[in-house]
Amino acid sequence: DVKVTQSSRYLVKRTGEKVFLECVQDMDHENMFWYRQDPGLGLRLIYFSYDVKMKEKGDIPEGYSVSREKKERFSLILESASTNQTSMYLCASSPPTGLSYNEQFFGPGTRLTVL
Amino acid sequence: KNEVEQSPQNLTAQEGEFITINCSYSVGISALHWLQQHPGGGIVSLFMLSSGKKKHGRLIATINIQEKHSSLHITASHPRDSAVYICAVDTGTASKLTFGTGTRLQVTL
Repeated sequence: DVKVTQSSRYLVKRTGEKVFLECVQDMDHENMFWYRQDPGLGLRLIYFSYDVKMKEKGDIPEGYSVSREKKERFSLILESASTNQTSMYLCASSPPTGLSYNEQFFGPGTRLTVL
Repeated sequence: KNEVEQSPQNLTAQEGEFITINCSYSVGISALHWLQQHPGGGIVSLFMLSSGKKKHGRLIATINIQEKHSSLHITASHPRDSAVYICAVDTGTASKLTFGTGTRLQVTL
């Protein structure tokens, strides 16, 4: 079974802090994604990566950056956390485009609160 | 207007009822996904379909490509089916999915 893990289930940070959210997958997937999920808005794509050191902006990249130094690990960075970044953050991975119709496998999520 | 619309947003049913959740989309797709999210956050994939119908236990998913519409049915619903059900479409663009806002289902005894 594919396993996607995230570094924390719950995180509380203060405004202005630098925040790192880590995601690791064990299935050698090329594609990895970071989403945030807010009530009434569904999942929105922040960034995705289709290979090591490659990244593309999603729909809401402002205030975020990412890092993918190793294939199995995709990090989301909040350079200076703000209260409007309080949300549930979900990581996902998938095999290369063209295989298995882009089924994505999700981590358990990190609920981040910024005070 | 969202590219993926789900209805209803919230649904309450009694145990044993037949449940239908609908998903309409406005873009061309290569596949449609139904996902389930239990309280606590984790999302699991239920179905991935590009045509016709798929069945897994008490769950049935159908898609009509011409009408750009899919339904998820749950037969003989049970309280453990209580979750948020999310429809997502694959437009074939760079492995990305576009998500609906979800349907929150509560099944009571």
